[in-house]
Amino acid sequence: NAGVTQTPKFQVLKTGQSMTLQCAQDMNHEYMSWYRQDPGMGLRLIHYSVGAGITDQGEVPNGYNVSRSTTEDFPLRLLSAAPSQTSVYFCASSYRASPYNEQFFGPGTRLTVL
Amino acid sequence: AQKITQTQPGMFVQEKEAVTLDCTYDTSDPSYGLFWYKQPSSGEMIFLIYQGSYDQQNATEGRYSLNFQKARKSANLVISASQLGDSAMYFCAMRANYGGSQGNLIFGKGTKLSVKP
Repeated sequence: NAGVTQTPKFQVLKTGQSMTLQCAQDMNHEYMSWYRQDPGMGLRLIHYSVGAGITDQGEVPNGYNVSRSTTEDFPLRLLSAAPSQTSVYFCASSYRASPYNEQFFGPGTRLTVL
Repeated sequence: AQKITQTQPGMFVQEKEAVTLDCTYDTSDPSYGLFWYKQPSSGEMIFLIYQGSYDQQNATEGRYSLNFQKARKSANLVISASQLGDSAMYFCAMRANYGGSQGNLIFGKGTKLSVKP
């Protein structure tokens, strides 16, 4: 199993550009999520999904869109990049949206918006 | 509101000694899980240990143990026999179902552990 994969590993964008961060998992997990990590802030939830076709907002959803057309994939779209979106982005998945399941994290994408 | 608090921004420990990283949590949901993750300088998030709210015994995984004190709402991570490779950022996190959160993870701000040779 590859686990949770993310592409790209690094990305530099100019203000106003759009892009999609890819996330895939091969563990047949129902729950997938996106977090951003900023210095001194821990990880904050952007969007999450409890199954194909179901998505919802987390703590910091503004400026981001998601969709979940398959169990395996959960892409994160930046609609119009802003410098405030410079961050490290992690995708994670777990078997279910349960307090008793650990989340497995991808390797992260380091995004810089100029 | 659900919250995780890690009060130690940074800690030092001598190699081969034990160290305790503090974590307190707040939730009104009776069903929750507590997790510790390690983030080395390479950046990945590594799951270390889990404790469920109904578990009677403290969780252990190799050199890691979780000191769970439910009445005090604390879930401290204990690392025994520290190694140089333990130098990393450590995050405490919680999953609960309160308010329809669907079991989302809430993280503390982390503790940076440095192991001295």
